[in-house]
Parts: sequence; structure tokens; C-alpha cells
Amino acid sequence: KAGVTQTPRYLIKTRGQQVTLSCSPISGHRSVSWYQQTPGQGLQFLFEYFSETQRNKGNFPGRFSGRQFSNSRSEMNVSTLELGDSALYLCASSLYGQQAPNTEAFFGQGTRLTVV
Amino acid sequence: GQNIDQPTEMTATEGAIVQINCTYQTSGFNGLFWYQQHAGEAPTFLSYNVLDGLEEKGRFSSFLSRSKGYSYLLLKELQMKDSASYLCAAMDSNYQLIWGAGTKLIIKP
Repeated sequence: KAGVTQTPRYLIKTRGQQVTLSCSPISGHRSVSWYQQTPGQGLQFLFEYFSETQRNKGNFPGRFSGRQFSNSRSEMNVSTLELGDSALYLCASSLYGQQAPNTEAFFGQGTRLTVV
Repeated sequence: GQNIDQPTEMTATEGAIVQINCTYQTSGFNGLFWYQQHAGEAPTFLSYNVLDGLEEKGRFSSFLSRSKGYSYLLLKELQMKDSASYLCAAMDSNYQLIWGAGTKLIIKP
């Protein structure tokens, strides 16, 4: 079966712009979680969507938002980009999401965002 | 606060055994995960522990001690392809994953 697909793979944006990233989960998976990964910081949880509802949210400012569509595809939006937003953004899909922790999460290859 | 600690980098020899430690402090606990991430690639799931003890899966084993807030990942018969970052993550009572910064494992011939 197809894996988790994230588009685009690479993105360069200017400070102050906004960006939308896309994640298509594995077919049948209803949960999509988003993470920010920076060197030395590890993965930071952004939010989790399950059946079109945001079920959990990390400690990120309101400039970071997301949504999930009826086909489980998810988008993440960052407005008013800052230099510090440069990172690898990963999404992970799973059948039941984080509230069924023994179900495996599958990660996409990420979108590398560079803000200049 | 919530925190995960793991070594930044480790070096081991092909064919040897290496143990990567992880200590955690979370508000509540719903399990401990290990993921492997090769450079430029997505993290891939290795193991999940929620009960104390050792879980063995081929060359990889993961151990958990809930009372000590401690886990380790044991890799046996190391191969060059095991060179990667190993990510430890603990799930808190809100089912949020708290991630360590990862341990970069370098395998030398």
C-alpha cells in the first residue's frame, strides 16, 4: 500500500509570507499528526487531527494551524513566517491516532521549509 | 516540566552490541516508543513498551522501567545500515508524544 505522502518536499519562503503544507495519510488511516523537527531539538508536536477534528495541540503559536478533510488528507498552514520556522515538518498517520498508542504511526518524508 | 534525555551521539563497531539509553519525565505515562531515522528519511517505528520488561524483536530489543523513568534500545550484531538516529518518545497522560532530540549512532567497520 502507498505510504504517507507529503508535498512539497522542499520549500523556500520569505519572512512574513504564509505557507501551506499537505499530507496524504495511508488509505484507511483516520489520524494525522504534525511535527516540527529541528537539529538538536527533536520532534516537537504541533497537532493531531482525527476524523476532521483537532484532537490534540502542542505549544505552538496561533500562526500554526491545520485542518483535515473528509478523505483524511491534512494541511498545515503557517502564517507570517519567521526565520525560526525553518525546519523539517513531518506528518504521521495511524489508524486510531495517539489515543491508541499501541498502533503504529507511519511518517512521511517531510517538507523541508527554509525561511529567508 | 516534561523532558526526555538521550545521548547525542554514540559510536560502535560493526558486529558489536550497543545500548542507547533514554530517561523520561512526563505528566502521566502511556508508553515509550523508539523510532529509527536515517539521514534525510522519515522516522520508522521500532518498538513500543508500556509494561516493565524487555521486548525482543530480532536484532533489536527495548527495555522499560516505569519506576525509574528509564528505557533502553539494544542493538545486536550491528550492521553498517544501522547507522542512523534513534529517537526516544514518551507518551503522556494526554496522549501527546514527548520526543528526545535523538541519538546519532555511527557504526565503524
